[in-house]
Amino acid sequence: AQKITQTQPGMFVQEKEAVTLDCTYDTSDPSYGLFWYKQPSSGEMIFLIYQGSYDQQNATEGRYSLNFQKARKSANLVISASQLGDSAMYFCAIPPSNTGKLIFGQGTTLQVKP
Amino acid sequence: EAQVTQNPRYLITVTGKKLTVTCSQNMNHEYMSWYRQDPGLGLRQIYYSMNVEVTDKGDVPEGYKVSRKEKRNFPLILESPSPNQTSLYFCASSLSLAGALGGHEQFFGPGTRLTVL
Repeated sequence: AQKITQTQPGMFVQEKEAVTLDCTYDTSDPSYGLFWYKQPSSGEMIFLIYQGSYDQQNATEGRYSLNFQKARKSANLVISASQLGDSAMYFCAIPPSNTGKLIFGQGTTLQVKP
Repeated sequence: EAQVTQNPRYLITVTGKKLTVTCSQNMNHEYMSWYRQDPGLGLRQIYYSMNVEVTDKGDVPEGYKVSRKEKRNFPLILESPSPNQTSLYFCASSLSLAGALGGHEQFFGPGTRLTVL
């Protein structure tokens, strides 16, 4: 069965610095994808970035990038130049093939300090 | 505007009083899903639907029912709510099954915070 592990319950980062949020996964699917979502204190789930297992390059979306290491089964989210508005909970998720659902990790709470 | 809407956003109720949380999407998505979010557990899928009249259980379906009579609507029904169903509920939809090749994200509704006393 697929599993996602986020080992950092809480993180702090100084404004304008970069931060890496860890995510490791376990899957038996030969091809798969990984999603990252942001949940601010207002509660909504915001899609950030997606990486397919066969993508040749690490995904990037603005200040967000994925450090995808397939052999280590890790898909860490890197946020560059942190902003106060980045303070939120971040979830890594994997979709078991042909199920339509997402398996979520426990989440990491990020606080950006001014 | 493309969106998933849920109602109500907040609900306080008592044990045993049937309730329905509505979910609607305007993106013509085939796939819809319900999750609940609890502290330390992330989000867990309750039920999902791949198309009209096609629904199936997720990881935590006990105590819940769903229906999919129209493509755009996917209500969540709690026939006899109990305090352990106090949670934050999310409806989500996507164009297709989320997978490696498609990478289709799931769009989430704003959430419904339910308290069962």
